[in-house]
Amino acid sequence: DGGITQSPKYLFRKEGQNVTLSCEQNLNHDAMYWYRQDPGQGLRLIYYSQIVNDFQKGDIAEGYSVSREKKESFPLTVTSAQKNPTAFYLCASSIQRGRRELFFGEGSRLTVL
Amino acid sequence: KNEVEQSPQNLTAQEGEFITINCSYSVGISALHWLQQHPGGGIVSLFMLSSGKKKHGRLIATINIQEKHSSLHITASHPRDSAVYICAASIIQGAQKLVFGQGTRLTINP
Repeated sequence: DGGITQSPKYLFRKEGQNVTLSCEQNLNHDAMYWYRQDPGQGLRLIYYSQIVNDFQKGDIAEGYSVSREKKESFPLTVTSAQKNPTAFYLCASSIQRGRRELFFGEGSRLTVL
Repeated sequence: KNEVEQSPQNLTAQEGEFITINCSYSVGISALHWLQQHPGGGIVSLFMLSSGKKKHGRLIATINIQEKHSSLHITASHPRDSAVYICAASIIQGAQKLVFGQGTRLTINP
């Protein structure tokens, strides 16, 4: 079955360490997104990519980096520069950016100790 | 004020009750999405609509473009409907942008 796979589901990190969250999709979607979810707030866009080897900053990109070397993969690195990295991270994809139906992964919960 | 507002934030009901969750938005949109986030955290898209009404099983979504308002209804609610329901608007701002509501946590008691 087609879908989006995020890993790991839970991750603990010490302050000052970079960590990379994986997102893989086999839906043949062009657009992929990373969102951050904090309690009591709506999802906020970190980065998005509409095509391989291209990506754009979202609303809260500071302290994060991404790459899109393959259509299927859009990993997110949470760097030590991110001041408040403890959050739930969701990856999504769609056929194109815009008013297209979004498909989400199961999420990754990052806790910084 | 957020561009997308949901109400209520929390809703508890008994099994079998008719449920309504509301979503209001303040800007022009091209589409309105209703999403369901289950307790594990994963999100499923329930509806994407730009006018009128859509129905899937016991779920009904409506949108009134003039009033900038959408509702999600659940008929004959069941404990397995317990989840967070999120409204998201595809906002027209030069480039399309998706803005999310804060979510409504629904609990259905048996």
